[in-house]
Amino acid sequence: GGIITQTPKFLIGQEGQKLTLKCQQNFNHDTMYWYRQDSGKGLRLIYYSITENDLQKGDLSEGYDASREKKSSFSLTVTSAQKNEMAVFLCASSPGQYAEQFFGPGTRLTVL
Amino acid sequence: QQKVQQSPESLIVPEGGMASLNCTFSDRNSQYFWWYRQHSGEGPKALMSIFSNGDKKEGRFTAHLNKASLYVSLHIKDSQPSDSALYFCAVRRNTGGADRLTFGKGTQLIIQP
Repeated sequence: GGIITQTPKFLIGQEGQKLTLKCQQNFNHDTMYWYRQDSGKGLRLIYYSITENDLQKGDLSEGYDASREKKSSFSLTVTSAQKNEMAVFLCASSPGQYAEQFFGPGTRLTVL
Repeated sequence: QQKVQQSPESLIVPEGGMASLNCTFSDRNSQYFWWYRQHSGEGPKALMSIFSNGDKKEGRFTAHLNKASLYVSLHIKDSQPSDSALYFCAVRRNTGGADRLTFGKGTQLIIQP
């Protein structure tokens, strides 16, 4: 089996600050995803990547950048943190189409 | 744009009872559906997928799909306290390429011992 590691587990930043969340997977999966989970709103897709150096925007990409420099890692940057985006950010990976997505434990973002 | 709605928002079921979770979707071209479960403090984990009309059973879990009625459901038999979690319905978008899932807002299931 494999594992998805997300760092940090908790991230506290100031309003307007640039913040980076990291995700590593050892499944050797091609596709990776970043989701945002707000209380009572389910999961919303921010960015995804189908291979190294590929980036595709999801439904919620405004205010975020992403980077996939290696197959095993996928980073998400909050370009200017806002108080209304306090949420849990989930990273996932998948071996291909119609396959299960495997999720990490999440990074909880708090903006002061 | 695809809309996925789940009901009820929360559900309390006695231990050993049957839990029934509902999900409706808006895109008639949807073909592939997932149920995910998330325990507190963890990421979601896939329970099962379904793509043909009818029932699919995996252990104590049965998914039911009716594409004409835009409806998918999950039934949990002999519910255990460990089944207490947030359950999401997810619908695959027909966009080609990577899977893009639209998630519902979830049903919070509480199993009372």
